[in-house]
Amino acid sequence: ETGVTQSPTHLIKTRGQQVTLRCSSQSGHNTVSWYQQALGQGPQFIFQYYREEENGRGNFPPRFSGLQFPNYSSELNVNALELDDSALYLCASSLEISGNEQFFGPGTRLTVL
Amino acid sequence: KQEVTQIPAALSVPEGENLVLNCSFTDSAIYNLQWFRQDPGKGLTSLLLIQSSQREQTSGRLNASLDKSSGRSTLYIAASQPGDSATYLCAVMVSGGSNYKLTFGKGTLLTVNP
Repeated sequence: ETGVTQSPTHLIKTRGQQVTLRCSSQSGHNTVSWYQQALGQGPQFIFQYYREEENGRGNFPPRFSGLQFPNYSSELNVNALELDDSALYLCASSLEISGNEQFFGPGTRLTVL
Repeated sequence: KQEVTQIPAALSVPEGENLVLNCSFTDSAIYNLQWFRQDPGKGLTSLLLIQSSQREQTSGRLNASLDKSSGRSTLYIAASQPGDSATYLCAVMVSGGSNYKLTFGKGTLLTVNP
């Protein structure tokens, strides 16, 4: 059974650019949640995808958007990058939209200069 | 709005000491509570998950308790080792309507000195 994977591991962008982060969910999991962890803070919920539809989002602006594909992998897109977008981005997969455990990937470290 | 607080923010102990990390949450309507470990610059490693109907979970030298009515959880680490040095995060799963999301505390930075 393959765990949650994320790519890339690190990337550096400049203000105003756009970025796409990718997540492959654990085998059999159809729900993906994305979290942003700024330095020294706990992760914050960005949004959740279930069966290719957005299923709730946290307090993040519309320039944060996502996709989920038929194989349940997911992308997080951020437009018009700001310095404060520098963070560790974590995705987690789970089975169905219920109170089941979420399994986390290793994260993508984004630095915005 | 659910808020999770972890005390202390940082803790330094000598090797071999038993220690307790604290987590409190404001809304008792949770589905589960999870403790994670995070090494510097790395992702999250799940340590223990306690369902809302459970009172505690144990794994090796770790024991986590949950008192949902009072909004508290503790993570007990026995016979601490330098390899236990990391940030420990507490998270509660809550329902936001149709979705289920984790709300995290800011973590406790643990240093175990040899």
